[in-house]
Amino acid sequence: SQTIHQWPATLVQPVGSPLSLECTVEGTSNPNLYWYRQAAGRGLQLLFYSVGIGQISSEVPQNLSASRPQDRQFILSSKKLLLSDSGFYLCASGLGGKIYFGEGSWLTVV
Amino acid sequence: GQQVMQIPQYQHVQEGEDFTTYCNSSTTLSNIQWYKQRPGGHPVFLIQLVKSGEVKKQKRLTFQFGEAKKNSSLHITATQTTDVGTYFCAGKYWGAGNQFYFGTGTSLTVIP
Repeated sequence: SQTIHQWPATLVQPVGSPLSLECTVEGTSNPNLYWYRQAAGRGLQLLFYSVGIGQISSEVPQNLSASRPQDRQFILSSKKLLLSDSGFYLCASGLGGKIYFGEGSWLTVV
Repeated sequence: GQQVMQIPQYQHVQEGEDFTTYCNSSTTLSNIQWYKQRPGGHPVFLIQLVKSGEVKKQKRLTFQFGEAKKNSSLHITATQTTDVGTYFCAGKYWGAGNQFYFGTGTSLTVIP
């Protein structure tokens, strides 16, 4: 198995401010990494996935970006947050066909 | 992008009643997985189905993959309060790399 560390756990940010959510993975090398967003009462929307360092694929157009500077580090960023960016963000890692999720980060944009 | 539809969105059942959630895809899936998210928590892997028509059981939970590999269901027999949470299916498509596309989830409330 593996452990996903994700932080911060909660944050409240004003509209127009930047964002940085960080995720690190323990227990495996060269994992597939994912960022999902879960809006209140809704499902999990795949935002980005990465198969290796510097390799990022985006699933939906948005003002968010992702980077993978190291093998087991995945970062979700925004230069200017929108109200609609509020939600529960989950970092995940794929191993053996399964997806392991971090504890999540609650983002409220005000 | 790809989309997996899941119904119902919410389900309230009396403890002891059965519960079923359904997932549908317009495109054939290579495999499908099911996850459970407890209130306030993160999704946790339950099971993976790969073969057409496959049926797997975990105690009171029965998972089924359709013959055409476009739909799946999760059935819970005699629900208990510990079954409370949101159940997600996650589909993987041929040629789509390692992306898993989650359904919208079914939130289950069990009334004691």
